Amino acid sequence: KNEVEQSPQNLTAQEGEFITINCSYSVGISALHWLQQHPGGGIVSLFMLSSGKKKHGRLIATINIQEKHSSLHITASHPRDSAVYICAVTMDSNYQLIWGAGTKLIIKP
Amino acid sequence: EPEVTQTPSHQVTQMGQEVILRCVPISNHLYFYWYRQILGQKVEFLVSFYNNEISEKSEIFDDQFSVERPDGSNFTLKIRSTKLEDSAMYFCASRNTRIMNTEAFFGQGTRLTVV
Repeated sequence: KNEVEQSPQNLTAQEGEFITINCSYSVGISALHWLQQHPGGGIVSLFMLSSGKKKHGRLIATINIQEKHSSLHITASHPRDSAVYICAVTMDSNYQLIWGAGTKLIIKP
Repeated sequence: EPEVTQTPSHQVTQMGQEVILRCVPISNHLYFYWYRQILGQKVEFLVSFYNNEISEKSEIFDDQFSVERPDGSNFTLKIRSTKLEDSAMYFCASRNTRIMNTEAFFGQGTRLTVV
């Protein structure tokens, strides 16, 4: 069983739509990370959460520790948001990052 | 804004050759990591490094791999005798403490192609 599960695997939407990507995990964590991987492969850290909610521009990330679940939302989506979004968790036992498989997002103009 | 830089961005090498992937972490960071992503697969942890020694390594990080911080600024990953299955994107990351709730910063990656 994967320790970090993301859904959906692929998501195609029209420009302007509200996007939600989900992440569930099964291990004890100290933090959850949302990262963006560009088509060229580079990885950018978007958020790191240990509780509650964070907002940066059109991106919002939430986490529910009790339910072991996090969501990444994009408001007013734009074609430049097209990328792979990866959820990763820092395990509280050994500080390692456990990575999800990623959600490939395509925003059509 | 400080950033982690990796060179080269793309390297093609023949099977059996040695390669060295270079990373310059953020200057006041103390913990360094290498990850790899085989095309179409998840990112995988390779190794973490602190105080000039390996802190943890995965089962992927076998005797063919080594890391070092030769000069206080570079952090290198060496693959001694590359295999076709070493073809992947390799990412370096750094953070300034081992405290769990600090962010790691990632380089743009080196795409290694073994032919």
